[in-house]
Amino acid sequence: QVQLQESGPGLVKPSETLSLTCTVSGDSVSSADYYWSWIRQPPGKGLEYVGHIYSGGSTNYNPSLRSRVTMSLDTPKNQFSLKLTSVTAADTAVYYCARQRPFYYGSGTYSDWFDPWGQGNLVTVSS
Amino acid sequence: SSELTQDPAVSVALGQTVRITCQGDSLRSYHASWYQQKPGQAPVLVIYGKDNRPSGIPDRFSGSGSGNTASLTIAGAQAEDEADYYCNSRDSNPHHVLFGGGTKVTVL
Repeated sequence: QVQLQESGPGLVKPSETLSLTCTVSGDSVSSADYYWSWIRQPPGKGLEYVGHIYSGGSTNYNPSLRSRVTMSLDTPKNQFSLKLTSVTAADTAVYYCARQRPFYYGSGTYSDWFDPWGQGNLVTVSS
Repeated sequence: SSELTQDPAVSVALGQTVRITCQGDSLRSYHASWYQQKPGQAPVLVIYGKDNRPSGIPDRFSGSGSGNTASLTIAGAQAEDEADYYCNSRDSNPHHVLFGGGTKVTVL
């Protein structure tokens, strides 16, 4: 059974860097079949894709966050991490890590699904 | 850039059928997946790749899609199906994932 668990501080000051780690059990972050992703959800709002990292370290970030986001892999620890710099109150959210399965059906048709998800880590940006 | 549009809220009588839709141009070349989120919990995958159901998801959940619209149907809705439901797709950048705004399903 694959499980993901986020860890990190629940409170970050404005202009500082948010850092979260996701520990994976039951699968390997080196797997060639999956991306390892971060998704966030501001209180009372919908889901926002932050980005993903793939084995080997290739990344893809939400264009709206790209200038502030860095993701990394720690293969020996089977973890992946998120750093978001220069945070503001707008970055207050529950941050989820999730395993993302990209799939190409051919003829230009794609799909992605996220399963499983971590339980989420509420990060509040406040002084 | 693309968007995914979902109705903010729908209601269904206990035991009846409800269909939730997700609209967006990207769905013409993308099979949506669907997630159920109950208050205070992480989302759970209920349909993937348009019409596939993960193990453990009741067969009253089904997915379909045509043109620019993906649909999630709950046939015989139960009280425990009351939740927010989200679809996902990709933007024109094929690696930029999008989520719909979510639909709150109330079971009456």
